[in-house]
Amino acid sequence: NAGVTQTPKFRVLKTGQSMTLLCAQDMNHEYMYWYRQDPGMGLRLIHYSVGEGTTAKGEVPDGYNVSRLKKQNFLLGLESAAPSQTSVYFCASSARLAGGEGNEQFFGPGTRLTVL
Amino acid sequence: AQSVTQLGSHVSVSEGALVLLRCNYSSSVPPYLFWYVQYPNQGLQLLLKYTSAATLVKGINGFEAEFKKSETSFHLTKPSAHMSDAAEYFCAVSDLTNFGNEKLTFGTGTRLTIIP
Repeated sequence: NAGVTQTPKFRVLKTGQSMTLLCAQDMNHEYMYWYRQDPGMGLRLIHYSVGEGTTAKGEVPDGYNVSRLKKQNFLLGLESAAPSQTSVYFCASSARLAGGEGNEQFFGPGTRLTVL
Repeated sequence: AQSVTQLGSHVSVSEGALVLLRCNYSSSVPPYLFWYVQYPNQGLQLLLKYTSAATLVKGINGFEAEFKKSETSFHLTKPSAHMSDAAEYFCAVSDLTNFGNEKLTFGTGTRLTIIP
């Protein structure tokens, strides 16, 4: 059971380049999330998905797009990278439980992205 | 929107001493609260959570937290610090979305250093 995995682990981009970060989970979780972590700011939610083909914006969605074509995968895209997108990106997943709240999110190891 | 505030971005304690990490929440309804830990170069993992079943919550690695409604607090404690506790700790509160899943709002984190 690998849990949540992220590809790649590190990446350096030039301003204006595009890239896709891949998140995969093998726990059959319904919900998946993308966060960014910046020093002194904690984790902030970029986008999330509640199932195949259904995504929604989080707190800081601008400059990012997402897709969830398969239940186990959640992709985060940067169409035209900017230095402000230099960050560590974390993917997380959680199960759908009866009763709704208090549900644990399981996190991947992160992708460190630098935009020059 | 619900939020959490973590007082102290850095806390240092001696090995064997009490660990106290502070978290205050802002919520108009009874909150669901979490503490996550992030070891260096890793993703986050759940330490413990409060879901209204009991005000004193015990977690992994000897940590516990007490929910105090009158003080709007959910401070994390451990009686005796160990070198392996050195990490960053995040308090979080959850909100239900229109889809029925939870979004987490994280505090800015507290980096715990253990002095030998």
